[in-house]
Amino acid sequence: GQQVMQIPQYQHVQEGEDFTTYCNSSTTLSNIQWYKQRPGGHPVFLIQLVKSGEVKKQKRLTFQFGEAKKNSSLHITATQTTDVGTYFCAGLRGATNKLIFGTGTLLAVQP
Amino acid sequence: NAGVTQTPKFRVLKTGQSMTLLCAQDMNHEYMYWYRQDPGMGLRLIHYSVGEGTTAKGEVPDGYNVSRLKKQNFLLGLESAAPSQTSVYFCASKLPNQPQHFGDGTRLSIL
Repeated sequence: GQQVMQIPQYQHVQEGEDFTTYCNSSTTLSNIQWYKQRPGGHPVFLIQLVKSGEVKKQKRLTFQFGEAKKNSSLHITATQTTDVGTYFCAGLRGATNKLIFGTGTLLAVQP
Repeated sequence: NAGVTQTPKFRVLKTGQSMTLLCAQDMNHEYMYWYRQDPGMGLRLIHYSVGEGTTAKGEVPDGYNVSRLKKQNFLLGLESAAPSQTSVYFCASKLPNQPQHFGDGTRLSIL
């Protein structure tokens, strides 16, 4: 079954508000990747985190990997309508070549 | 440079029919993957391949077969389609330790 869970499943915000999605794995991950999927589109890679406690920023997006390498978060500051879409985390376990995708968080932004 | 190309983009099948979905990549990637995406379930790995001539099962392999006869192509077959296989199918490819590149998806409906 699904071993990487994301919350919330859905979030509706007003433009300018902040947004956070959380990703939790039942097992330790080698690394975690984040993808964004626009409505009707395909997942597009955003970033990869590898080190315990790592924090990376991309403009208004802040990504964090937990100390135990079992959880991660994506925070968007001052959302814009272009941020609309589903955000997926995906974890890599051990030396496998398989990514286990989270259930995704659908973000809706009202102008 | 087309990236990852999936054909067909849409298809409607009757229960019991068979079909093959084609994924082609022109980036010389070693690894290729087939996922299905259903509402609320994220992306679930069906089968994957770490190189020409090799395939392996993912999370939900039952009812599907795959072949990787050429490095650039990864075929997904449904021998006897069932309504439960109605989904959006995504192919992805990548190099070792690099993020995945996704195709645009195939929307498959089985009546």
